[in-house]
Amino acid sequence: DAGVIQSPRHEVTEMGQEVTLRCKPISGHDYLFWYRQTMMRGLELLIYFNNNVPIDDSGMPEDRFSAKMPNASFSTLKIQPSEPRDSAVYFCASSLSNTEAFFGQGTRLTVV
Amino acid sequence: GDSVTQMEGPVTLSEEACLTINCTYTATGYPSLFWYVQYPGEGLQLLLKATKADDKGSNKGFEATYRKETTSFHLEKGSVQVSDSAVYFCALSDQAGSYQLTFGKGTKLSVIP
Repeated sequence: DAGVIQSPRHEVTEMGQEVTLRCKPISGHDYLFWYRQTMMRGLELLIYFNNNVPIDDSGMPEDRFSAKMPNASFSTLKIQPSEPRDSAVYFCASSLSNTEAFFGQGTRLTVV
Repeated sequence: GDSVTQMEGPVTLSEEACLTINCTYTATGYPSLFWYVQYPGEGLQLLLKATKADDKGSNKGFEATYRKETTSFHLEKGSVQVSDSAVYFCALSDQAGSYQLTFGKGTKLSVIP
């Protein structure tokens, strides 16, 4: 398996634009997590899914953020409209029930 | 809620020096404990884990022991190499069912020849 695949690796966008981050989890994994990493706040869990169903989105910072998982092999994290304070590295991770999470390489988002 | 506290560094060591990165946690249940490593420009990789008290996780010369009495999971290595330069994250997973990871802020380690 190629591991967790995220795209794009880098995204630069202007304030107010919509941004969509994509994730393909490891085949067979039933949990998918979205994390955000910043210097100030470290790694924060935004939302996680179990069997494609959102379980806990309490970490989503505000209504501008939304996440979907239409099937077991694909998830998106959308920010609309984007703001400079959203600049961060966004990681997707997947796991098989209560085992270790495998992380993608991340998407570095810069909002100017 | 659950939390993880680790020394923030940065830590700079000479090659072959001993490494200890302290990690303590707060959790309501009986969490699993992890150390993840992040190399420059990469995602996080699991380094080692322990799932119950007194378990020792080990990998690539790194070790950490789950100490319930002191709520600690310190990372140790007897002789570091330049290739160990990375950011190390301590984390816990609440076994009550959510399986989500709570991370410490990370410790940047630089090993110089």
